[in-house]
Amino acid sequence: AQKVTQAQTEISVVEKEDVTLDCVYETRDTTYYLFWYKQPPSGELVFLIRRNSFDEQNEISGRYSWNFQKSTSSFNFTITASQVVDSAVYFCALSGVTGNQFYFGTGTSLTVIP
Amino acid sequence: SQTIHQWPATLVQPVGSPLSLECTVEGTSNPNLYWYRQAAGRGLQLLFYSVGIGQISSEVPQNLSASRPQDRQFILSSKKLLLSDSGFYLCAWSAQGLNSPLHFGNGTRLTVT
Repeated sequence: AQKVTQAQTEISVVEKEDVTLDCVYETRDTTYYLFWYKQPPSGELVFLIRRNSFDEQNEISGRYSWNFQKSTSSFNFTITASQVVDSAVYFCALSGVTGNQFYFGTGTSLTVIP
Repeated sequence: SQTIHQWPATLVQPVGSPLSLECTVEGTSNPNLYWYRQAAGRGLQLLFYSVGIGQISSEVPQNLSASRPQDRQFILSSKKLLLSDSGFYLCAWSAQGLNSPLHFGNGTRLTVT
C-alpha cells in the first residue's frame, strides 16, 4: 500500500527560526518519486521539489533543503531563517511505479510569526 | 510553457442543482488529468484521474462524475449537488512518465447551500 504520513498538523515558529517539516512514506515499489508542495492562503498548490528513489543526495535551494533517507522512509523539508511568506500548508506526496497516481499526506500548516 | 486553467474560481449552488467545473491544459499533449477535492480538514482527496480521452478512473464512489471529451479538457459534473459536495476542487495535470510532478490549477471553491 502507498501511504504518506505528515504527523505534524500545525507548526508555529518565530520569524528567522529554522523549521523542519516531517514526511514519512510507505511503498512496496522499488521505483518511486517524492514531492513537496506549498499551498499558500490563496489556495493554489505550488510544486517545490521532486526526488526519485535512487537519488538520496540532499538538496538545497536557497533557504529550502530536503533530506531524503530511504533507511527511515523519510523525506523531510527544512526551511532556514523562516519568513512570514513561508506561512502556508505544505504537502508531501508519493508517486508509485505507474506514475499516474499521487498519494498526499494530510499536510502541515506552518505559521511564521513576525 | 504549459498552463492550466480552471473555472469558475468560486461557485455557490443550491442543493439539488447540477454542477459543471471545467479544466483545460495548454502547451502539452496527452497529459494525465486529475480532479482533487480539499475539504475543510485540508487533506487532498483524489476524485478522478484520466490517462487519455474517454479514460476515467474513479477513486471514490460519490455524487460526482468526470469526463474527458478532448485531450486537454477535463470536466467534473454532478446531476444533483449535496451539501457534502462543498469544498475546494483542484484540477491538475502531469506529463506521461514516472518523474513528472503534478501541476495544479487555481481551484474552485464550491459552496452548496
